[in-house]
Amino acid sequence: GAGVSQSPSNKVTEKGKDVELRCDPISGHTALYWYRQSLGQGLEFLIYFQGNSAPDKSGLPSDRFSAERTGGSVSTLTIQRTQQEDSAVYLCASSTTGQVAEKLFFGSGTQLSVL
Amino acid sequence: SQQGEEDPQALSIQEGENATMNCSYKTSINNLQWYRQNSGRGLVHLILIRSNEREKHSGRLRVTLDTSKKSSSLLITASRAADTASYFCATTGNTPLVFGKGTRLSVIA
Repeated sequence: GAGVSQSPSNKVTEKGKDVELRCDPISGHTALYWYRQSLGQGLEFLIYFQGNSAPDKSGLPSDRFSAERTGGSVSTLTIQRTQQEDSAVYLCASSTTGQVAEKLFFGSGTQLSVL
Repeated sequence: SQQGEEDPQALSIQEGENATMNCSYKTSINNLQWYRQNSGRGLVHLILIRSNEREKHSGRLRVTLDTSKKSSSLLITASRAADTASYFCATTGNTPLVFGKGTRLSVIA
């Protein structure tokens, strides 16, 4: 695609429900990243994929968070039993090869609100 | 942590003035990047400076890097109202990009 696409753009859910956030990276990009941004804060790294494997899961806040990537393309971030503190903008980014010197291309994010 | 910390947290200037934002980090880096974020959504890459570079220009943007002080600055010259946004520095070493909390720039027409 022309850019990184995320869906939904907004999600309102009730505490305790599960949510799935989707990221469609730029075609051909092998590296994919998930970040979280709480209101007025910086970006918190969650997880990074190189192809379909995740060499770095260190940022996932708890075992309620999981992510997968299939076919080296689309990724899904799943949050189980959502809590109010999970409310944030979830940003996905991709890069060509995942090398450290590369710039990231970001999607517009999913605004998650947990009531 | 390699997290960059931007300074100031917020900056308000008149259109036409220059805006300077600073970034400090803690450990050695491969490169440092600056990003811009409008309205709290997706970030856009502005400029990348490598650890062996001291200064880089791109249009109205000028970035400097001082590895001895572990700091970088972003200068936007002749600012415009459209430059209003949050600006983040991000550092890379052996891990994915680590972002600071950003500087919120307001350019008043």
